[in-house]
This record gives sequence, structure tokens and C-alpha cells, in this order.
Amino acid sequence: DTAVSQTPKYLVTQMGNDKSIKCEQNLGHDTMYWYKQDSKKFLKIMFSYNNKELIINETVPNRFSPKSPDKAHLNLHINSLELGDSAVYFCASSQEGNMNTEAFFGQGTRLTVV
Amino acid sequence: AQKVTQAQTEISVVEKEDVTLDCVYETRDTTYYLFWYKQPPSGELVFLIRRNSFDEQNEISGRYSWNFQKSTSSFNFTITASQVVDSAVYFCALSEAGYGGATNKLIFGTGTLLAVQP
Repeated sequence: DTAVSQTPKYLVTQMGNDKSIKCEQNLGHDTMYWYKQDSKKFLKIMFSYNNKELIINETVPNRFSPKSPDKAHLNLHINSLELGDSAVYFCASSQEGNMNTEAFFGQGTRLTVV
Repeated sequence: AQKVTQAQTEISVVEKEDVTLDCVYETRDTTYYLFWYKQPPSGELVFLIRRNSFDEQNEISGRYSWNFQKSTSSFNFTITASQVVDSAVYFCALSEAGYGGATNKLIFGTGTLLAVQP
């Protein structure tokens, strides 16, 4: 069983479109995250949710809107996609929000905006 | 401010060589956590180790070992007798404990690309 799963794995879309990436974890964790990895492999947090409540919003443009219908899911919706949004997006989860436990990552979604 | 520095951008070794990946961190907190993650060519992020700031004991897991030294703010990672399957990007990361159980984030270094040649 996959612990943290994201769909789709690859996403190619045109500028201006709206797209969503789904994430689900079956670990029973309370906290979920979205990280962005750019073309230089740099990883940076975007959002974190704890029990469906937004905890961290790391100055991400408001075109990005996370949605957590329950604590096992954290989806990422992106409006009006731009070329600079091309990156790999990773979902992650951890048992405790204070990082006393490790974060488990999904396999990543490679988003290409053309 | 929190910061993680991995000065080695790329390292190339021949199989069976030992290799050490350096990690230097900055934090003002006294309680924090350090991590290493591996990202193989397939792209996923694989957790390797977590260490809290109060535990300076070195750790060994098979061919992997970690040297945590608070005096130099370093958390270095050594692979002994490297293998081709060790080829990956390795990330060091830091998280501060925060207050009141607040959710915290991983601050990643820029990663070190390790290429192990047969």
C-alpha cells in the first residue's frame, strides 16, 4: 500500500489553464504539506495543514489554493497557470506537526506549463 | 534565521569508495531536528534519518553513518563502500521545534548529487 499518493504523476498543460493535484495519505497522520521542487532541485515548503486547518502559507501566490476535505487528503488547485509554475510538487505527511517525526513524501507530480 | 548549506554540489566516486556528504546548518533555536533524505533518479524522496538536537550520538545503519556535531553545526553523512545504487541527490534538512506544538516546516539544503561509477 502506498503511504502518500499523488495524482497525476505527470501533468502537461497550457498557460492560463486551471489544474488540480490530488494527495491522499493512509498513515493516519494529522499534518500534511505541499512542497515545490524547482528546476535546480531546490525544495521549498508551500503549505501545511493540521487536521484540515491551514497552518503554514509560505507567501505562495493566491493562484495556489490548497483544500483539505479531511485530514487524509490535501489537494492543490492552481489557477491561471504560468510558465514559472513548472516544477515538481511533492505532498507529504507527518504524525506530529512539530516535526518530532519524519515526513513521508509522495512520489511527486511533475507539472509542465507550455 | 534557519539555513542549511550543502556546499558540495556534485560528487563523483568509484564503486567501493567511501564518501562523505557535508551539511552545515544555522538556527537560533536550542531544540531542532535534522534530517537526511535521498532522491534517486526515479524522483521520490526517501527518508533516511532524523536526529534531534539533544542527541549527539553518531548513528550507523549498515553502510550509512551520520556524524552530528553541535559545536560546528554540522550533520555529515558518510556512505561506506559506495555502490552504484547509491547514486542520487541527497538532501539535508532542518526543522525547528516551534512552540505550543505548532506545525513546522523542513528547510532543505540545495542537495548534493552523488554519482557512483562502476
